[in-house]
Amino acid sequence: QKEVEQNSGPLSVPEGAIASLNCTYSDRGSQSFFWYRQYSGKSPELIMSIYSNGDKEDGRFTAQLNKASQYVSLLIRDSQPSDSATYLCAVNSGTYKYIFGTGTRLKVLA
Amino acid sequence: EAGVAQSPRYKIIEKRQSVAFWCNPISGHATLYWYQQILGQGPKLLIQFQNNGVVDDSQLPKDRFSAERLKGVDSTLKIQPAKLEDSAVYLCASSFGDQVQQFFGPGTRLTVL
Repeated sequence: QKEVEQNSGPLSVPEGAIASLNCTYSDRGSQSFFWYRQYSGKSPELIMSIYSNGDKEDGRFTAQLNKASQYVSLLIRDSQPSDSATYLCAVNSGTYKYIFGTGTRLKVLA
Repeated sequence: EAGVAQSPRYKIIEKRQSVAFWCNPISGHATLYWYQQILGQGPKLLIQFQNNGVVDDSQLPKDRFSAERLKGVDSTLKIQPAKLEDSAVYLCASSFGDQVQQFFGPGTRLTVL
């Protein structure tokens, strides 16, 4: 079992719809969770971080964390073509242990 | 605030040659990471420094890869000798500490022929 799993996609959604990206992790001791966005040919950049169970909202983005079920998700409301990118889930499961998933490619169709 | 700097941006070498990459992190960031990202995959951690000490190099192919971070600031990653499968983007990132946001440099795209 991979330590951080994501569906590679592509996930295609129409413009204006909600995009839902999911990530599961294997280490129950994980404490910190991050979503990074990576445009083609560019470096990852942080979208959201979440540390406790529940929802965290920032503009059109909402991160959801459920430690009991070991998943973290990212919702993008009112998706725009500019949101088309690969979204990387990263989990910090202890001191100096930071693991990225393989990423989910999102396509927002105009 | 200046971001993470990396050089070169692109490098093409023949297999069995050596290559070195340089990274300068954001000022004040104690933690520095080197990642290898193969096309279509997520970043894979090669080595992590806390100041100038190594805290994780479990996935670094030590027979051919080496890295150092002198004086706890900039860092170099070296590959010697390179193999075809080393073709990838090498990303450097830094953070203020552990379990917080990482800031990535622009990366170095390595092609091994």
